[in-house]
Amino acid sequence: GAGVSQSPSNKVTEKGKDVELRCDPISGHTALYWYRQRLGQGLEFLIYFQGNSAPDKSGLPSDRFSAERTGESVSTLTIQRTQQEDSAVYLCASSLGTGLGVEQYFGPGTRLTVT
Amino acid sequence: GDSVTQMEGPVTLSEEAFLTINCTYTATGYPSLFWYVQYPGEGLQLLLKATKADDKGSNKGFEATYRKETTSFHLEKGSVQVSDSAVYFCALFSGGYNKLIFGAGTRLAVHP
Repeated sequence: GAGVSQSPSNKVTEKGKDVELRCDPISGHTALYWYRQRLGQGLEFLIYFQGNSAPDKSGLPSDRFSAERTGESVSTLTIQRTQQEDSAVYLCASSLGTGLGVEQYFGPGTRLTVT
Repeated sequence: GDSVTQMEGPVTLSEEAFLTINCTYTATGYPSLFWYVQYPGEGLQLLLKATKADDKGSNKGFEATYRKETTSFHLEKGSVQVSDSAVYFCALFSGGYNKLIFGAGTRLAVHP
């Protein structure tokens, strides 16, 4: 079946502009995560959605970052007034529920470059 | 807070060599442990996992054992192939945080 998809695959934007990144999780997966991977580094957690519960936003680095998810479907990550340090690969993952041992399936990522 | 530390790369090996990539963790409670792999130009994939102490995860010839006493989850493979060249990430999932916490990644390059 279809995996996690993300769009766009690449995005180049000017400093100060807003960007919106999209994630389509695997159908039926109730949990959805956003991570950021800076060049040569591991993944940093940004935000987590589980069903209709309030999202865990504890990883968002600043109030310029926000994310939404409608029910158990598509999620969008928005970065306002982009800065050069926002340049990274943004990865989305989904899982069938949550808990110890539950596998997260990752999308291919969106590579964001802020010039 | 919870954290994962893995050996820095790059690791460069000849084909058929033995591989070890060290991973240690700090966590409250009893996390699940994972190794993810990122092949060139591809997305992150789960390689193996272990959910409790002394469990051994294995896949594609790779193994890792959850060692609670040493808080480690080292990745091993007896004979690497060129196709194993990738970046390997150790990660833990702590139920208290509901997220994966990743190490910085270790790049492996295998030469014929």
